[in-house]
Amino acid sequence: EAGVAQSPRYKIIEKRQSVAFWCNPISGHATLYWYQQILGQGPKLLIQFQNNGVVDDSQLPKDRFSAERLKGVDSTLKIQPAKLEDSAVYLCASSQGTGGTEAFFGQGTRLTVV
Amino acid sequence: SQKIEQNSEALNIQEGKTATLTCNYTNYSPAYLQWYRQDPGRGPVFLLLIRENEKEKRKERLKVTFDTTLKQSLFHITASQPADSATYLCALETWHAGKSTFGDGTTLTVKP
Repeated sequence: EAGVAQSPRYKIIEKRQSVAFWCNPISGHATLYWYQQILGQGPKLLIQFQNNGVVDDSQLPKDRFSAERLKGVDSTLKIQPAKLEDSAVYLCASSQGTGGTEAFFGQGTRLTVV
Repeated sequence: SQKIEQNSEALNIQEGKTATLTCNYTNYSPAYLQWYRQDPGRGPVFLLLIRENEKEKRKERLKVTFDTTLKQSLFHITASQPADSATYLCALETWHAGKSTFGDGTTLTVKP
């Protein structure tokens, strides 16, 4: 079974530029998550999709972050414009559902904003 | 406010010993508690899940306990090996939220 695929693996941009990350979840997984992980901290949920609908985006900075999940499969997360404090690893995860089901994580995209 | 606390200090132990990691929480009523392992440059990998009505769960050399009165979970690795060196994250999921909130992790180093 293929895992969660993310790209790019690394990205360096200047502040105020825009950037997009892509995620392909495990086939058949209805739930997709985007997390932000700052060095030395645990993953923080940005947005959760159930199929192509948003379940929770309470911690997504909506003035600069946006996300979509096309046809309930792939997802993109965009930052525009980026700030220095956005430097982090962006992790995508998927699961068959919620309620105690395990989440499978991709390797993440390491973003550096200079 | 809601808080999840894991051992703030890194944990260093000798090979063969039992590692015990702690996850404490406040202002949560978790339905499930999960433990994940994260290696440098990789995403977290699921290890074990324990439900609120379960006291203990085991998987090979791993054991998790869950005390909802103390609001604490303990994660044990017996007969530890250098390959167990990693950061271990606990995550809580409540009934109504349907999402997991992670602690900041504990870094374990097992020395040969």
